[in-house]
Amino acid sequence: EAGVAQSPRYKIIEKRQSVAFWCNPISGHATLYWYQQILGQGPKLLIQFQNNGVVDDSQLPKDRFSAERLKGVDSTLKIQPAKLEDSAVYLCASSISGQVRFYEQYFGPGTRLTVT
Amino acid sequence: GDSVTQMEGPVTLSEEAFLTINCTYTATGYPSLFWYVQYPGEGLQLLLKATKADDKGSNKGFEATYRKETTSFHLEKGSVQVSDSAVYFCALSESGNNRLAFGKGNQVVVIP
Repeated sequence: EAGVAQSPRYKIIEKRQSVAFWCNPISGHATLYWYQQILGQGPKLLIQFQNNGVVDDSQLPKDRFSAERLKGVDSTLKIQPAKLEDSAVYLCASSISGQVRFYEQYFGPGTRLTVT
Repeated sequence: GDSVTQMEGPVTLSEEAFLTINCTYTATGYPSLFWYVQYPGEGLQLLLKATKADDKGSNKGFEATYRKETTSFHLEKGSVQVSDSAVYFCALSESGNNRLAFGKGNQVVVIP
């Protein structure tokens, strides 16, 4: 079974530029998550989708970050414009479901973003 | 809000030594508790979990017991190997949802 795929693996941009990350979850997984992992810290949930609807985006900086999962499968996370403090690894994860009880989340390899 | 606190700093130890990584949590309800591991160059993987008080999660020689009275979920392994070198994250999820809150992680380096 294929795991969670993410691209690109690495990205370097200048501040105020835009960037987009792509995630393809495990086939059949209804729930998709984006996490931000700043160096030396644990992952922080940015947004959670159930199929193509947003379940939780309370920690997403909506003035610059946006995410979509239009067909309930793959997802895109965008930052526009980027700031230096956005330098981090962006992790995508998926699970069979995300409701009622805990379902194991499977993580992709992440995209390492460096903003200069 | 819900949070997880892990002991500060990396852990360096010799092969076959005993490993303990401390984890305490703050939660309003009855969370499930997890340990995730991140091996060099790989994604996060679930190592073990416990869903209620006094449960013991175990996997690959690692164990952790859900202690409600001390709000703790310390990770232990009796005899570590070089291949256990990784970053270990403690995490929790409140009942009824699937959202994970992670600690800062601990780098473990095992020296031959």
